[in-house]
Amino acid sequence: KAGVTQTPRYLIKTRGQQVTLSCSPISGHRSVSWYQQTPGQGLQFLFEYFSETQRNKGNFPGRFSGRQFSNSRSEMNVSTLELGDSALYLCASSLLGASTDTQYFGPGTRLTVL
Amino acid sequence: EDQVTQSPEALRLQEGESSSLNCSYTVSGLRGLFWYRQDPGKGPEFLFTLYSAGEEKEKERLKATLTKKESFLHITAPKPEDSATYLCAVQGASSGSARQLTFGSGTQLTVLP
Repeated sequence: KAGVTQTPRYLIKTRGQQVTLSCSPISGHRSVSWYQQTPGQGLQFLFEYFSETQRNKGNFPGRFSGRQFSNSRSEMNVSTLELGDSALYLCASSLLGASTDTQYFGPGTRLTVL
Repeated sequence: EDQVTQSPEALRLQEGESSSLNCSYTVSGLRGLFWYRQDPGKGPEFLFTLYSAGEEKEKERLKATLTKKESFLHITAPKPEDSATYLCAVQGASSGSARQLTFGSGTQLTVLP
């Protein structure tokens, strides 16, 4: 069974630009969560989608947004990029989105903002 | 607010030298405690889920245990390929039905041959 896939794997952008990252969950998984990982802050929760609805959002500015499609694939968008947005963005999927479900992570997208 | 503290931040072991990693947590209504392994430049790889105090799980050289306040990841006779960052995360009741893990900062383990 294929794991979580994320595209692209690497991105370089400049300040003020916007970026869209994509995540394909494990087949059959309906919940997709996004996390930001930086050396200083570690792994921080961005938001979670289940059945195309955002169920929860972490403490990030409105420049960070996302959506989920009917096939459970998800995208996240960051507008007006800042230097501090440089990070590894991780997507994780779980089967039914229950709070006890295990989340399986993708390889991440490494975003560098210049 | 859920909180997770991992110690030590870094650990260097000789091959075959057993040790334990600690994960202390504060959470309102623990739904699950998760251990992941992360290699440089890669996403976290799932290891274990623990749901209630007293629970233990094992996989090869790793054993995870859970109490009401902390979890331990015991590594028995480690090998160099066990070198990685080990992350602990909790899912609490405060996030309702949503999947939202709170992570610790991790323990960077280096096993020397």
